[in-house]
Amino acid sequence: DAGVTQSPTHLIKTRGQHVTLRCSPISGHKSVSWYQQVLGQGPQFIFQYYEKEERGRGNFPDRFSARQFPNYSSELNVNALLLGDSALYLCASSPGVGTWVTGELFFGEGSRLTVL
Amino acid sequence: GENVEQHPSTLSVQEGDSAVIKCTYSDSASNYFPWYKQELGKGPQLIIDIRSNVGEKKDQRIAVTLNKTAKHFSLHITETQPEDSAVYFCAASWNGGSQGNLIFGKGTKLSVKP
Repeated sequence: DAGVTQSPTHLIKTRGQHVTLRCSPISGHKSVSWYQQVLGQGPQFIFQYYEKEERGRGNFPDRFSARQFPNYSSELNVNALLLGDSALYLCASSPGVGTWVTGELFFGEGSRLTVL
Repeated sequence: GENVEQHPSTLSVQEGDSAVIKCTYSDSASNYFPWYKQELGKGPQLIIDIRSNVGEKKDQRIAVTLNKTAKHFSLHITETQPEDSAVYFCAASWNGGSQGNLIFGKGTKLSVKP
């Protein structure tokens, strides 16, 4: 079975540009979370979506936004890119209702964003 | 908000030795504590987790202990093998992990020398 897939795997942008990152969860998973992982640090929570609704938001500026589609895939958008946005962006899915209490997140391999 | 401290940042052991990684958390409401392993170029993968109603959990060579009073939890790997080499992250969540918003430590880079 396919795991969590993310695209693109690598991308380079310049300051002030916009970026869209995409995530397809494991089949049957209804919850998607986004994390930012700066080099040498642990992942930091950005958003969680379940059934197309935002269920949680981390301490990130409004330049960061996300959405979830009817097929449970998700996009993360970042506007007005800063050098400090350079990081690995991880998407994680979980089953959602019914197995909500399991807590396990299944991570993709991430999208590495470099802002010049 | 919750803060998770993880030590050590790097750990080098000989194959067959044990490895211990320790984490402390600040929010006494936290009730779910997973450990993730991240290999180079890959996303984190859950290796074991523990909930606040349990003091210890084992899975083959891996064990996790939780001390709620002291607000710390530890990962124990016995009989280490070269394939255990990776970065390990502890994490904490206050709502059972169901919201997908884990607070991660900064990671421990484990090197197992043959």
